[in-house]
Amino acid sequence: DTGVSQNPRHKITKRGQNVTFRCDPISEHNRLYWYRQTLGQGPEFLTYFQNEAQLEKSRLLSDRFSAERPKGSFSTLEIQRTEQGDSAMYLCASSSMSSGSYEQYFGPGTRLTVT
Amino acid sequence: QKEVEQNSGPLSVPEGAIASLNCTYSDRGSQSFFWYRQYSGKSPELIMSIYSNGDKEDGRFTAQLNKASQYVSLLIRDSQPSDSATYLCAGRRNNDMRFGAGTRLTVKP
Repeated sequence: DTGVSQNPRHKITKRGQNVTFRCDPISEHNRLYWYRQTLGQGPEFLTYFQNEAQLEKSRLLSDRFSAERPKGSFSTLEIQRTEQGDSAMYLCASSSMSSGSYEQYFGPGTRLTVT
Repeated sequence: QKEVEQNSGPLSVPEGAIASLNCTYSDRGSQSFFWYRQYSGKSPELIMSIYSNGDKEDGRFTAQLNKASQYVSLLIRDSQPSDSATYLCAGRRNNDMRFGAGTRLTVKP
């Protein structure tokens, strides 16, 4: 069990560019979550996958954000036409449905800076 | 009103003391609660979860849940300087997890 991994760890981009982040969950965890966290706030839910199905998406999530989990393993989060307000830490978490505990384990995060 | 509220702190305790962190929630449909520790610049790390009313102990940590009062707390016994961090409370309804803004704890040697 190597934990949740995320890449890249840091991303600096110019406003208007597209960025893509990757998350590899703990092996055999079938639930995967994306969150965004800004300074002084707790993580804010973005979207949730169970296996390859995207089951929930925050109503606050702009259409510029899209996420995929094509084979039920790793997931990608893409932000199109980035804005300065997108600057944040993007966190991925995974949990196991079989455990029944709903405990989520976070990856190290991807820190995005939009200039 | 935020769904999960925490005192932002900072909370300062001397080394060896008991640190008490509190959290209230508004969604009575919340099914379970979680405490995470987050060091500056790092991601949240799960400390423990609690589902039922009462206390749950794990080492130096005790979580307490009172569903009638919609109140969750975390006690840290024998606080160490390494416990200095932000502590996040989260409540879950189905697959929806809502986090508080966190309480910053400082343990002074």
